[in-house]
Amino acid sequence: DVKVTQSSRYLVKRTGEKVFLECVQDMDHENMFWYRQDPGLGLRLIYFSYDVKMKEKGDIPEGYSVSREKKERFSLILESASTNQTSMYLCASSLPLLEQYFGPGTRLTVT
Amino acid sequence: DQQVKQNSPSLSVQEGRISILNCDYTNSMFDYFLWYKKYPAEGPTFLISISSIKDKNEDGRFTVFLNKSAKHLSLHIVPSQPGDSAVYFCAANRWGAQKLVFGQGTRLTINP
Repeated sequence: DVKVTQSSRYLVKRTGEKVFLECVQDMDHENMFWYRQDPGLGLRLIYFSYDVKMKEKGDIPEGYSVSREKKERFSLILESASTNQTSMYLCASSLPLLEQYFGPGTRLTVT
Repeated sequence: DQQVKQNSPSLSVQEGRISILNCDYTNSMFDYFLWYKKYPAEGPTFLISISSIKDKNEDGRFTVFLNKSAKHLSLHIVPSQPGDSAVYFCAANRWGAQKLVFGQGTRLTINP
C-alpha cells in the first residue's frame, strides 16, 4: 500500500525560527513535491525533486529551500519563518508522469 | 495567472442525486487531467484521470468528461453519497511535465 508520511501533523513556530518539515515515502518514487494549501488558492507548488540531490523551483519558492539526500526523504526548510507562511503543507510523491500520492499534511502556524 | 480554475467554491447536493463539479483551463498544452478528493486533516487522494485523446472516462460512480474545444472538464458523481462530502481539486499537466497545476478546489456537501 502506498505510503507518504510527514513528520508532524501540527506545528507552532515563532517568527524568525528555522523550520524543518520532513516527508518520507516508501514507494521508491523518483519524484517528490512540496505544496502549500491556502483557502481559495488551491494547492500551489513550492519545490519538487525528480532525483536525489536534484530540485526545481515551483510557483512559490521564495522563503523556502529543500533538501533531498536520500530517495525516500524530501525536506522543506523555512529559513526564517514568517506569519505569511502559516499554511497547510502537503508532500507528495510519484513515478514519472503518473499520479501523485499525498501525505496527510502539516498544519503550520507561525506566531 | 490561474491556468486551472474551479469557479464554484462550494456545491450542495441531495443524497442520491447527481453531483457535477466543473473545471476550466487556459493552457492548450495541457493533455492530462486528474481529479483529487480531500477530506479535512488528510492529504488529497487521487480519484480519476483522463487524457486528451479521450472525452470520457468512467470508474464506478465517477465519470470525468473532457471538452477540449471549450477547455472544460467536469466530474459527475452518481448517485451522490454522504461520504462524497469533501473538497475536490482538478489538476492538469502536459505530457512530459512532472508538475501538476491545481485548481482552487470545490467543497461538495451531500445532504441527507
